[in-house]
Amino acid sequence: EAQVTQNPRYLITVTGKKLTVTCSQNMNHEYMSWYRQDPGLGLRQIYYSMNVEVTDKGDVPEGYKVSRKEKRNFPLILESPSPNQTSLYFCASSWTSGSPYHEQFFGPGTRLTVL
Amino acid sequence: AQSVAQPEDQVNVAEGNPLTVKCTYSVSGNPYLFWYVQYPNRGLQFLLKYITGDNLVKGSYGFEAEFNKSQTSFHLKKPSALVSDSALYFCAVNYGNMLTFGGGTRLMVKP
Repeated sequence: EAQVTQNPRYLITVTGKKLTVTCSQNMNHEYMSWYRQDPGLGLRQIYYSMNVEVTDKGDVPEGYKVSRKEKRNFPLILESPSPNQTSLYFCASSWTSGSPYHEQFFGPGTRLTVL
Repeated sequence: AQSVAQPEDQVNVAEGNPLTVKCTYSVSGNPYLFWYVQYPNRGLQFLLKYITGDNLVKGSYGFEAEFNKSQTSFHLKKPSALVSDSALYFCAVNYGNMLTFGGGTRLMVKP
């Protein structure tokens, strides 16, 4: 089954404790992206990757890191989480590479709470 | 910079009635517009997109959207709403390599 998977689905942590949210897709997509969803703000793009070893900042990259060492994986790293990073996070992928009109496939989401 | 506005936080409609969820956008150049739907505790699912061509775009689950360049709008419509259509709907514009979303509209369809 074609899908985007994220782990963990739920995470409660404390301020300053480094964490990684994994994302993997099995569709051989070139493009992957991370979003955070907050009430009333919709989804905001954190980082995206056009292909392996190519990453770029989205609208809200502060406090996050990403890497793209393999085509299928795109982990999101919070090196020192803070309470304002409490949010619902989505990973997505698509065929897009130089072409902006392919729809994105979304993972099920990771609900993160930082105390 | 591109932006998307969904002016209604919530839309209420009776089952069987037509529905419209509004979206306006601002972008330089040609817009690539999308609608996504989010059911409770799920990720977003693609509904439809406008790239070029006919202004009326048909998508999944009987939904359609009308692109209006002069009004910079891309409203989502359905002729007859179902209770199962109740969900959170997002309009988005793709510009360059980034997807920008509106704030979302909650659609409530009552029996």
